[in-house]
Amino acid sequence: NAGVTQTPKFRILKIGQSMTLQCTQDMNHNYMYWYRQDPGMGLKLIYYSVGAGITDKGEVPNGYNVSRSTTEDFPLRLELAAPSQTSVYFCASRLGGNNEKLFFGSGTQLSVL
Amino acid sequence: AQSVSQHNHHVILSEAASLELGCNYSYGGTVNLFWYVQYPGQHLQLLLKYFSGDPLVKGIKGFEAEFIKSKFSFNLRKPSVQWSDTAEYFCAVNAPSSARQLTFGSGTQLTVLP
Repeated sequence: NAGVTQTPKFRILKIGQSMTLQCTQDMNHNYMYWYRQDPGMGLKLIYYSVGAGITDKGEVPNGYNVSRSTTEDFPLRLELAAPSQTSVYFCASRLGGNNEKLFFGSGTQLSVL
Repeated sequence: AQSVSQHNHHVILSEAASLELGCNYSYGGTVNLFWYVQYPGQHLQLLLKYFSGDPLVKGIKGFEAEFIKSKFSFNLRKPSVQWSDTAEYFCAVNAPSSARQLTFGSGTQLTVLP
């Protein structure tokens, strides 16, 4: 199993550009999450999904969109990039039920200039 | 809504020193508690977790944490740190009755000097 795979690892965007951060997992996990990590702020939840076709907002959803058309994939879309979205983004997944352990991807370092 | 506080932002220790990282949460009901670790250049991974039962839980690499319900705390400890323990440590809480979201603390950067 590859676990949770995120692409790209690094990206620089200009203000107003759009992009999609890809996340895929091969563990047949029901729950998937997108977090952003800012220095001294810990991880903030952007969006999450409890299964294919079901998504919901987390703590900081503004400026982002997600979709979950399959169990494996959970892409995160930035439509109009802003400097405030400069961050490290982590995708995570877990099986569900009482199995609360999160598996994290390796992260995407995004800079918006 | 639950919240998590980690009061130590950066801790610097020498090898063999003892470690205790503080974690306090605010939530009135039953919680699940976690410590995650992020080594330099790597993704987060689970260090240990508490769901129920013995409030003293042991994790990987000699780490342990004690859940003290009356203090809403879940402090991480290790009797003797090593240089390889240099990492960022995150405490997290999940309320089983919530929308299954983990709330993370702001993290503590641990630097162990050789």
